[in-house]
Amino acid sequence: DAGVTQSPTHLIKTRGQQVTLRCSPKSGHDTVSWYQQALGQGPQFIFQYYEEEERQRGNFPDRFSGHQFPNYSSELNVNALLLGDSALYLCASGRWTVREQPQHFGDGTRLSIL
Amino acid sequence: AQTVTQSQPEMSVQEAETVTLSCTYDTSESDYYLFWYKQPPSRQMILVIRQEAYKQQNATENRFSVNFQKAAKSFSLKISDSQLGDAAMYFCALLLYNNNDMRFGAGTRLTVKP
Repeated sequence: DAGVTQSPTHLIKTRGQQVTLRCSPKSGHDTVSWYQQALGQGPQFIFQYYEEEERQRGNFPDRFSGHQFPNYSSELNVNALLLGDSALYLCASGRWTVREQPQHFGDGTRLSIL
Repeated sequence: AQTVTQSQPEMSVQEAETVTLSCTYDTSESDYYLFWYKQPPSRQMILVIRQEAYKQQNATENRFSVNFQKAAKSFSLKISDSQLGDAAMYFCALLLYNNNDMRFGAGTRLTVKP
């Protein structure tokens, strides 16, 4: 039973570019959340998707957008990259109807902005 | 607003000994979940233990237990019989009912000495 998978593992971009990160949820899960974890800090909630809609958003600018596909996988897009966007991006999946169950996290994508 | 504070950036414990990691939080809500996650160098966030706020009994998972003090808004993690594999970053997290924005503390780096 595959857990949450994220791709790519590492990514290097330059300022102003755009990036797309991908996440496949754990089998049986229908909800995907994205987090940004800056170096030395705890993860910060970006947004959550369920039924292909953004259900809740954290305090992140519109440069951060996402999408969820019918197979529950998700993409995180970041436009006009800034140096401060350098971070580990974590994806977590869960089941919408069983929210009391903890989310399962992927290994993350390390994004470096030069 | 919800906040989580971990006041110990680093902790160290001798193998087979017991260590307690501290966490305090702030919320005006009465219904929420609390979690401790472990993040080894592999980067994946692994759930260690969770507590529902309405339960007075402290959660226990094998060598891991919590001391949940709701009035004091305190949620400490005790690791008994520490093992080398327990070395990691530990994050305390707060999730409100009907809210998808899980708030994390800044983390505590635990070192286990042989």
